[in-house]
Amino acid sequence: DSGVTQTPKHLITATGQRVTLRCSPRSGDLSVYWYQQSLDQGLQFLIQYYNGEERAKGNILERFSAQQFPDLHSELNLSSLELGDSALYFCASSGGDSIHYEQYFGPGTRLTVT
Amino acid sequence: AQSVAQPEDQVNVAEGNPLTVKCTYSVSGNPYLFWYVQYPNRGLQFLLKYITGDNLVKGSYGFEAEFNKSQTSFHLKKPSALVSDSALYFCAVRENYGGSQGNLIFGKGTKLSVKP
Repeated sequence: DSGVTQTPKHLITATGQRVTLRCSPRSGDLSVYWYQQSLDQGLQFLIQYYNGEERAKGNILERFSAQQFPDLHSELNLSSLELGDSALYFCASSGGDSIHYEQYFGPGTRLTVT
Repeated sequence: AQSVAQPEDQVNVAEGNPLTVKCTYSVSGNPYLFWYVQYPNRGLQFLLKYITGDNLVKGSYGFEAEFNKSQTSFHLKKPSALVSDSALYFCAVRENYGGSQGNLIFGKGTKLSVKP
């Protein structure tokens, strides 16, 4: 158990809908990262937050957005869903702001868009 | 741009034999390299990392990795494979934002299959 929790575990929704994925980082970790894992794209970085502020953006679609709240949990919002958004979405957290810290991953949320 | 390559989609090993999962990297500046393992229906688990120092890095579950700067490689190794090592292995390099931590850039993954 990494200490990172994600809810829900599974999500099935229809095209055009909007969903919210939630992540609670390990106790004390200030950084949260979101990754998408799909068969065709592999594991791709979406976005990073550090202590409530957006730190970096990767291949995140404009239909997707995220935020990190004062209690450090984070939410990833996916809207106008398309079939191609079906994937496993991981949240990871790490402590501090040094390159020496490894990232700890949650169990993921499997999103299926029908 | 930084990247990692895992040239093998799958590696098959007999239980008890040594295993190697290959990874090569391309970075500007110092490489910060990681190995993660993913078991079916699970998240990624950290195995080991290279930041600086000894080229041979020891990690969890008996795994180790050898950093080779001249060959830009960071191969994962284990002297004696177990059936329970069967999983998907990812090599990753970390983006370096001038010293502060950045996201991971992953390879495509290598499926390790260990047969009894």
